Amino acid sequence: AQSVSQHNHHVILSEAASLELGCNYSYGGTVNLFWYVQYPGQHLQLLLKYFSGDPLVKGIKGFEAEFIKSKFSFNLRKPSVQWSDTAEYFCAVKLSSGNTPLVFGKGTRLSVIA
Amino acid sequence: GAGVSQTPSNKVTEKGKYVELRCDPISGHTALYWYRQSLGQGPEFLIYFQGTGAADDSGLPNDRFFAVRPEGSVSTLKIQRTERGDSAVYLCASSANRDPTNTGELFFGEGSRLTVL
Repeated sequence: AQSVSQHNHHVILSEAASLELGCNYSYGGTVNLFWYVQYPGQHLQLLLKYFSGDPLVKGIKGFEAEFIKSKFSFNLRKPSVQWSDTAEYFCAVKLSSGNTPLVFGKGTRLSVIA
Repeated sequence: GAGVSQTPSNKVTEKGKYVELRCDPISGHTALYWYRQSLGQGPEFLIYFQGTGAADDSGLPNDRFFAVRPEGSVSTLKIQRTERGDSAVYLCASSANRDPTNTGELFFGEGSRLTVL
């Protein structure tokens, strides 16, 4: 069965610390990969996406993610977090072909403290 | 409108009652999705519309759940004989293209929080 795993349920970091959130998927085929973010009291927003080409993808607000096909991973990174990055982060995966739905992981809550 | 609009934002109902949740997508978006998010979980796919027709309803948990999009714009998610386990945030998203991989972006509403007592 297709699945998306986010290993960290809750991450607490101090401002300026580096961030890496793990995401692994289990799919039998070519995939498109996404990270969505949900700030407190707001709706889900796209952070970045990967379809093809350079496996290192840059997103908004200084975030990036690296697709490692051999590891079925798409980890999210940011060199230096800010208090405003406090949010819930969701990894999502979709088969590239066909109208298949976007499947989300359970999410990782990031708390950035001053 | 500027974004995806969902109403009501909060709905409290009693077990066994009927509930309707409404989604008004971004104008011109042909694809519309319903997801359900329970506490501590990620969004779970329910159903996807392309225009007026349900292109994929494989995520609907049982026949108490039904969704329509009669004119290819606004959609209504209908839940019959609600159960306590139906309590969740119901998210609607829309996308501009037939295949969301073209842009990769689903635009989400703020959700309708359903509580079944």
